[in-house]
Amino acid sequence: QVHLQESGPGLVKPSGTLSLTCAASGASIGSDPWWSWVRQPPGKGLEWIGEVYPGESPNYNPSLKSRVAISVDESKKQLSLEVNSVTVADTAVYYCARGSEYSWHHWGQGTLVTVSS
Amino acid sequence: EIVLTQSPGTLSLSPGERATLSCKASQSVNSRDLAWYQQKPGQAPRLLIYGASRRATGIPDRFSGSGSGTDLTLTISRLEPEDFAVYYCQLYGSSPPMYTFGQGTKLEIK
Repeated sequence: QVHLQESGPGLVKPSGTLSLTCAASGASIGSDPWWSWVRQPPGKGLEWIGEVYPGESPNYNPSLKSRVAISVDESKKQLSLEVNSVTVADTAVYYCARGSEYSWHHWGQGTLVTVSS
Repeated sequence: EIVLTQSPGTLSLSPGERATLSCKASQSVNSRDLAWYQQKPGQAPRLLIYGASRRATGIPDRFSGSGSGTDLTLTISRLEPEDFAVYYCQLYGSSPPMYTFGQGTKLEIK
């Protein structure tokens, strides 16, 4: 059974960097395709951030591409997300998700990140 | 970029009734690339349907997906109390790789 768990600071200051990790059990972040980050501002809809395939360069949402980096640490079996130059608009629940068949079959529980001074 | 528009915004029905949720794309899509999710308050989205009509693992057969071209539909044949939630459609686009969501339909108890 696949279990995903996001972790990271719940509070980030404006203009700072948001950093999250996702740990997976029951699946291999280093070899299973593919892994994504999705976010959801409070009370709003879902927004895809980006994805990574093993051995390939990540793909990002064009609206976030200049500020986002997604990577995989195979030794730690972790997926990582960094968003720099954050503003209050980046306040959201951030989910990691495992993809297959152009959709996401497994999701983490999500972690709320608030951007505030 | 293809835009997905879901309707209605809110659907009020009673348990036992049939629910029909619409997802309209701004241009014709490949059915393979369309999925539906259910989200309850405080929970992550749950995949219901992928490839427009294939049920995900563990999804009851009262959920079905259909449609092609620009008009996709999620149908819940007989509503159970646990089905009242927000539903999102999602599309994959390949050039460049991009995933978009509809704005959601809230299914509430009448």
